[in-house]
Amino acid sequence: SQQGEEDPQALSIQEGENATMNCSYKTSINNLQWYRQNSGRGLVHLILIRSNEREKHSGRLRVTLDTSKKSSSLLITASRAADTASYFCATVSGAGSYQLTFGKGTKLSVIP
Amino acid sequence: KAGVTQTPRYLIKTRGQQVTLSCSPISGHRSVSWYQQTPGQGLQFLFEYFSETQRNKGNFPGRFSGRQFSNSRSEMNVSTLELGDSALYLCASSLNGGGADYQETQYFGPGTRLLVL
Repeated sequence: SQQGEEDPQALSIQEGENATMNCSYKTSINNLQWYRQNSGRGLVHLILIRSNEREKHSGRLRVTLDTSKKSSSLLITASRAADTASYFCATVSGAGSYQLTFGKGTKLSVIP
Repeated sequence: KAGVTQTPRYLIKTRGQQVTLSCSPISGHRSVSWYQQTPGQGLQFLFEYFSETQRNKGNFPGRFSGRQFSNSRSEMNVSTLELGDSALYLCASSLNGGGADYQETQYFGPGTRLLVL
């Protein structure tokens, strides 16, 4: 079953603009991860944020986590056409198995 | 190092048939997980194997099964295929099944696209 929801479901921006995607989840987590998927291909791991962290940066990516609200956001700064993809958040609750529970994803289109 | 490989990449079957999909993890990785992706249900966890043992299984019927070999390669099998089994099946590997606190990166393969007619 889906852990949560991404918002918005689709986002279209101009190259150079920032893109913000939000993710909500339902249960307590060990960590939250963001993945990118290009055109129905495999998923690429972008960033992981632990439950005791509030913010994390990686290049043009900034992730925040608010465990009290059970939500996270992914910010992509200075977007490029190559960032066009679907973005998924996934939570890990642990408990004996490395299982990712995914949200439904945000489809990002960056217009050159 | 070579990435996660999945074979075949595309597959067409008819209802009632069975299918076996294969996944070769990154060399040295001991954990393999399988996910199903459909437009309606999104990405759903099927099962995870670690050192040849199934550690967890998602909410799928018994027609879905899998195994892992001593070289960490994994196969999943779907018997008595239904139209709703049409999906992209993704395999992912990690070094130690997440490690002590599940912080390891999972590396995904390109997927096998299954079409059931």
